[in-house]
Amino acid sequence: QVLLQESGPGLVKPSETLSLTCNVSGGSVNNYYWSWIRQPAGKGLEWIGRLYASGSSNYNPSFKSRVTMAVDASKNQFSLRLSSVAAADAAVYYCARSSSPVTLGIWGQGTVVIVSS
Amino acid sequence: DIQMTQSPSSLSASIGDRVTLTCRASQSIDSYLNWYQLKPGKAPKLLIFAASSLQGRVPSRFSGSGSGTDYTLTISSLQPEDFASYYCQQSFSMPYTFGQGTKMEI
Repeated sequence: QVLLQESGPGLVKPSETLSLTCNVSGGSVNNYYWSWIRQPAGKGLEWIGRLYASGSSNYNPSFKSRVTMAVDASKNQFSLRLSSVAAADAAVYYCARSSSPVTLGIWGQGTVVIVSS
Repeated sequence: DIQMTQSPSSLSASIGDRVTLTCRASQSIDSYLNWYQLKPGKAPKLLIFAASSLQGRVPSRFSGSGSGTDYTLTISSLQPEDFASYYCQQSFSMPYTFGQGTKMEI
């Protein structure tokens, strides 16, 4: 049974870079689509983007050039970097895995990110 | 971006009730519509994909239907574990977008 667990600093200062990791257990990172989704407090879900294990990526244009995703097969991890964070980036961040490009099949429990100086 | 609109935004229901949630897209999404269940502190769960296909291990009381711009999620007989928030998501075009959710309460 594959399990995803997000991890990260929890607190990030404005203008800094947020770095999150999705640790994958019980399965490989290879041959899957990996996505990040977030949910600000009291709001709905927002798709940030996705990466196929081979390296092809699709990002939500609303994040412009701030976002980078990567897969590290040696560590069985999937990562997110979001630069120049602001208060609006505070949210619960989820990672998700899917064998299909059009679903988000398995999710992690999420990790809370606060943006504050 | 394709806008997804869910209704109602919240719903009060009882155990055993049959409930139907709706999701409308701002343009046709050709059944590229998924439904997710979210509970606080738990991993979100894919319930329905491609508008009407039940994800594995999801109870058969959940069903989805629809086409074009209009879709529904039906729970035939509410169970205590079904009280949660439900989100639709279109995967017809990027960026993928979600509805604002329906919160189901007892």
